[in-house]
Amino acid sequence: GQQLNQSPQSMFIQEGEDVSMNCTSSSIFNTWLWYKQDPGEGPVLLIALYKAGELTSNGRLTAQFGITRKDSFLNISASIPSDVGIYFCAGRLNTGNTPLVFGKGTRLSVIA
Amino acid sequence: DGGITQSPKYLFRKEGQNVTLSCEQNLNHDAMYWYRQDPGQGLRLIYYSQIVNDFQKGDIAEGYSVSREKKESFPLTVTSAQKNPTAFYLCASSSAGSEQYFGPGTRLTVT
Repeated sequence: GQQLNQSPQSMFIQEGEDVSMNCTSSSIFNTWLWYKQDPGEGPVLLIALYKAGELTSNGRLTAQFGITRKDSFLNISASIPSDVGIYFCAGRLNTGNTPLVFGKGTRLSVIA
Repeated sequence: DGGITQSPKYLFRKEGQNVTLSCEQNLNHDAMYWYRQDPGQGLRLIYYSQIVNDFQKGDIAEGYSVSREKKESFPLTVTSAQKNPTAFYLCASSSAGSEQYFGPGTRLTVT
C-alpha cells in the first residue's frame, strides 16, 4: 500500500533544543495528522490539519499543512524528556472514513 | 469514560492455535481498524470496517479474519495460517467529523 516518506528516521537531541520532522508524498492529501506513540502504548493524536497552508499549534508543538498538499512538518520547541517517543505522520487521500496512510515514524530521543 | 479498549494487554499462545484479540469502543464511531506494528516499524493496516456487517482487507490481511456484528466491537482473529503472528496489534476507530483514535494495543507472542 501507499506510504508517506517521513524523515528523519531517528533523532538524538539535547533537552531544550528545537526539533523538526517532515513527511512528503507524491499524492495530494485532504488531511494531515501527527501522532505520538510512547513505548508499549497506542499512538495519541497531537495535531490535525485540514487546509493547505494551515499552521496549527498545540502547546510547544506546531504543524503545517504544505501548500502543495503533498507535505507536512512538525516542530517541537524547547524539547523536554517526556517528548521521547515515536512521532507518526498520517494523511487522508479522500474524505470520510477512508483509511489513513502512515509514515514509518521518527524516533525521538532527548538527552537531559 | 469514552474510549477504545483492547484486551488483554499481553497475550501468549502456542504456534498452531488461533487467537482472538478484542477491541471495543464507546465513542459511537462508525469505522474501526486493525493495525500491526513490528519492532521499529510503522503501522500496517490489516482490516477495516466502515459500517456494521461490512469490512475490507487492508495491506496485510492474509492469515487474519475479522467480524463486525456490533458497532462498538471489531474482534480480530489471528489464525494459524499467519506465518509471523508475534507483533503489537493496535485497534482504532473514527467517524465523519472525528479523527482516528487508537486503543492501547495488545502485544501477542506466539512460541
